[in-house]
Amino acid sequence: DADVTQTPRNRITKTGKRIMLECSQTKGHDRMYWYRQDPGLGLQLIYYSFDVKDINKGEISDGYSVSRQAQAKFSLSLESAIPNQTALYFCATRDSGTGELFFGEGSRLTVL
Amino acid sequence: RKEVEQDPGPFNVPEGATVAFNCTYSNSASQSFFWYRQDCRKEPKLLMSVYSSGNEDGRFTAQLNRASQYISLLIRDSKLSDSATYLCVVNAQAGTALIFGKGTTLSVSS
Repeated sequence: DADVTQTPRNRITKTGKRIMLECSQTKGHDRMYWYRQDPGLGLQLIYYSFDVKDINKGEISDGYSVSRQAQAKFSLSLESAIPNQTALYFCATRDSGTGELFFGEGSRLTVL
Repeated sequence: RKEVEQDPGPFNVPEGATVAFNCTYSNSASQSFFWYRQDCRKEPKLLMSVYSSGNEDGRFTAQLNRASQYISLLIRDSKLSDSATYLCVVNAQAGTALIFGKGTTLSVSS
């Protein structure tokens, strides 16, 4: 089983719908991140969390919200999806000792 | 100036070639530096960390130049399997998040 698991892996939805992307990890890391990736734009940070009580906005947090339900779970919500939120979304955890990020396999979201 | 900048490429090289990528960063207080590799439609994976003294891992060499605020990745004897996008990643300071460059695409052909 993957250390960082994202669900769903693929989702097609309509404008205005509420969408939740979930992320769970078995690595025991405190730090978790949500990134989105668009062709030619690299990975952009949406939100990050250093522990259950610590949530921080990233570069592009508008239109998104997050919830850190437990150390192992960090979910990303789009309250009212719009087409320009069509992208590949990655969840990641970080080893605070080595600094290495461990990514999930990604969630491909299409908003029509 | 963007926080982390990379030449997007693509770099098209034959097998066996040596290729180098540079990445510049804007925050002089940046503390940690990494190169990640991303295959098409896959998640990024750590290729190597970049240390102040430079470091080597097989055919890959990473270097840091703090004075000029750039890091580099050198790939020797390129293989077909090296074809991927290489992402430069910088951590400005402890307690902040990692910032990614847009990536440099490498295509190695036979």
